Amino acid sequence: GIQVEQSPPDLILQEGANSTLRCNFSDSVNNLQWFHQNPWGQLINLFYIPSGTKQNGRLSATTVATERYSLLYISSSQTTDSGVYFCAVADSGYALNFGKGTSLLVTP
Amino acid sequence: DGGITQSPKYLFRKEGQNVTLSCEQNLNHDAMYWYRQDPGQGLRLIYYSQIVNDFQKGDIAEGYSVSREKKESFPLTVTSAQKNPTAFYLCASSLGVRSGNTIYFGEGSWLTVV
Repeated sequence: GIQVEQSPPDLILQEGANSTLRCNFSDSVNNLQWFHQNPWGQLINLFYIPSGTKQNGRLSATTVATERYSLLYISSSQTTDSGVYFCAVADSGYALNFGKGTSLLVTP
Repeated sequence: DGGITQSPKYLFRKEGQNVTLSCEQNLNHDAMYWYRQDPGQGLRLIYYSQIVNDFQKGDIAEGYSVSREKKESFPLTVTSAQKNPTAFYLCASSLGVRSGNTIYFGEGSWLTVV
């Protein structure tokens, strides 16, 4: 299956700081999604972004499909942003394949 | 409320026993999935189903079984053949298994085998 690598594996920020999370994938995809898993285990879909750029409040994402990577930007981070961020990819007709995630801790 | 309901939230079982995790959705989604998550790891696909009465193995199907008799329901049985069943299990659904379909997750079930 398609390999997904996320970096960095862990990140600690002070409230108000900005950050960039990266997702590299090994083959062409037509489905790429970013998720946030809160400390209680709930997974929330942030973006569906197989290509291009999208923004939602303080979060934005960019996928450069030809170079096989995606970036998730978090601006003015808040403690509620803490958790694990997952990138997941798929080719047509297949279920999503997840990376190992970036664990983010935002301190007051 | 629309969504995906998993039960039970926490489950303890003795080694050698089969256990079934429930997953129900009222989103009218065709596709349903089961993922397993181990501490500090990503999600790994166990089984998925694109339509009633049909399902496909994922990357780690050995020791697990599923059924899809109704569109709303996709129960997962963890059998005694699963070598290391203690994990967090997540059920999900989407309109279909193709690009453009956002996937939604239940709250998960913690299984501990002692």
